[in-house]
Amino acid sequence: EVQLVESGGGLVQPGGSLRLSCAASGFTFSNFWMRWVRQAPGKGLEWVANINQDGGENYYVDPVKGRFTISRDNAKNSLYLQMNSLRAEDTAVYYCARGLRWSDNWGQGTLVTVSS
Amino acid sequence: QSALTQPASVSGSPGQSITISCTGTSSDVGNYNLVSWYQQHPGKAPKLMIYEDNKRPSGVSNRFSGSKSGNTASLTISGLQAEDEADYYCCSYSGYSTFLFGGGTKLTVL
Repeated sequence: EVQLVESGGGLVQPGGSLRLSCAASGFTFSNFWMRWVRQAPGKGLEWVANINQDGGENYYVDPVKGRFTISRDNAKNSLYLQMNSLRAEDTAVYYCARGLRWSDNWGQGTLVTVSS
Repeated sequence: QSALTQPASVSGSPGQSITISCTGTSSDVGNYNLVSWYQQHPGKAPKLMIYEDNKRPSGVSNRFSGSKSGNTASLTISGLQAEDEADYYCCSYSGYSTFLFGGGTKLTVL
C-alpha cells in the first residue's frame, strides 16, 4: 500500500524557517516525480513545487521562488521542502503527492502556521 | 499564473447528473491533454478522480467522467449519491513543469 506521511509543520514567526518532510513507502520512490501542494485555511489547492526522480530538476510556483527549496533523498525514501523567509500568506496545510502530470497518492498533510 | 476558473458551488438531487466546468486559457487547459480532477472531503486529502482530461483511475466509479472543449474542461457526475458531496478541484499543466489548480467547486447533494 502506498503511504505518504508528512511531518515538520508547526507555528513559526514571520521571516522564520521550517523544513517539511514526507516519508514514502509502498512503492519505488526513486521512480516517481514528487510534488508539494498547499491549501490555505478555507481556501483551494495551490501547486507549490515539483522534483524529478533524481532531484536534478525542480520547479516552483512564483510566490515561493527563491524562498522554498524542494529536495529528496532516494536512499531514505523521503521528500523535503525547506521553507525560508516565511510569510503569513504561507500559512496552509502542506501535502506531498506522488506524480508529475497528476497525483494518484497524497499524504494527509502537515499544517504550517506563520504568525507572531 | 492565475487560477483556473470553476463555479463556487453546484448542487443536485440524488440520482441526477451535474457538471462542473473548469476554464483556463490556450496556454494551459487548451494546449495540453493534462487536466486532472480531484475530490476532497472536509479534513481529508484530495483524491484523484480523472486524469489526462478523461481517464478514470482504477477504483473510481464510472459515474465520474471528464471531457474538454477548447479551453474548458468539465467533470460530470451521474447518478448523484450522498457521498459525492465534497469539494472538487481541476488542475492543468501550464508548461515548463508548472501546474495550475482551479479555485474549487463545492458540490451539495440536496
